[in-house]
Amino acid sequence: QVQLQESGPGLVKPSETLSLTCSVSGAAMSTYYWTWIRQSAGKGLEYIGHIHTGGSTNYNPSLNSRVTMSVDTSKNQVSLRLSSVTAADTAVYYCATLYAGVIYSGSSPFYYYSHMDVWGKGTTVTVSS
Amino acid sequence: QSALTQPASVSGSPGQSITLSCTGTSSDIGGYDYVSWYQQHPDTAPKLIIFDVTNRPSGVSDRFSGSKSGNTASLTISGLQADDEASYYCSSFTSASTLDVIFGGGTKVTVL
Repeated sequence: QVQLQESGPGLVKPSETLSLTCSVSGAAMSTYYWTWIRQSAGKGLEYIGHIHTGGSTNYNPSLNSRVTMSVDTSKNQVSLRLSSVTAADTAVYYCATLYAGVIYSGSSPFYYYSHMDVWGKGTTVTVSS
Repeated sequence: QSALTQPASVSGSPGQSITLSCTGTSSDIGGYDYVSWYQQHPDTAPKLIIFDVTNRPSGVSDRFSGSKSGNTASLTISGLQADDEASYYCSSFTSASTLDVIFGGGTKVTVL
């Protein structure tokens, strides 16, 4: 059973870069998509984006220019970097596995993303000087 | 404003059944059977309880059931219990943008 654990600085200064790591255990990383989701205090869930172990990524357009995700299979880790942070980026950040699949219509692939089945416990990040 | 619309709160008495709604468009809920639901107790991570509209992961109580009609998905909790008091979020695959996955704003369930 795959397990995820987020880690990183709990406090980041405005305009700096937030860097988080998701440590993966219990599964071969090559078989999964990985996603980052955040939740501001008292608010709902916000999809930040996802990455496949092979390197393909997709980011939330509202954060696209500031987000970078990467995978290090040698360390069994998934990373998130969010640049130029402001107080609005203060949130609990979760990593999760993303179930995805592909359907072929003729020779054309259609990629779909279904659900987040395993979640980490989350890590709180506060942006403040 | 969230992409999927959920009522802010729903309440019920122990033993009752309640239904939570999640409304989207033909580009997400109406167009694909990739709707999922998550339960979140305070200060804990969300937990998957329904995927692909109607399917329950192993270990999730059969008191939780999902369905879909047109652009609206629903989560029914039957035999309401005190531990069901939590926030519930719906999610769907979307082809409307490059985002791929969207969430609802969440529904707070209160057990009276």
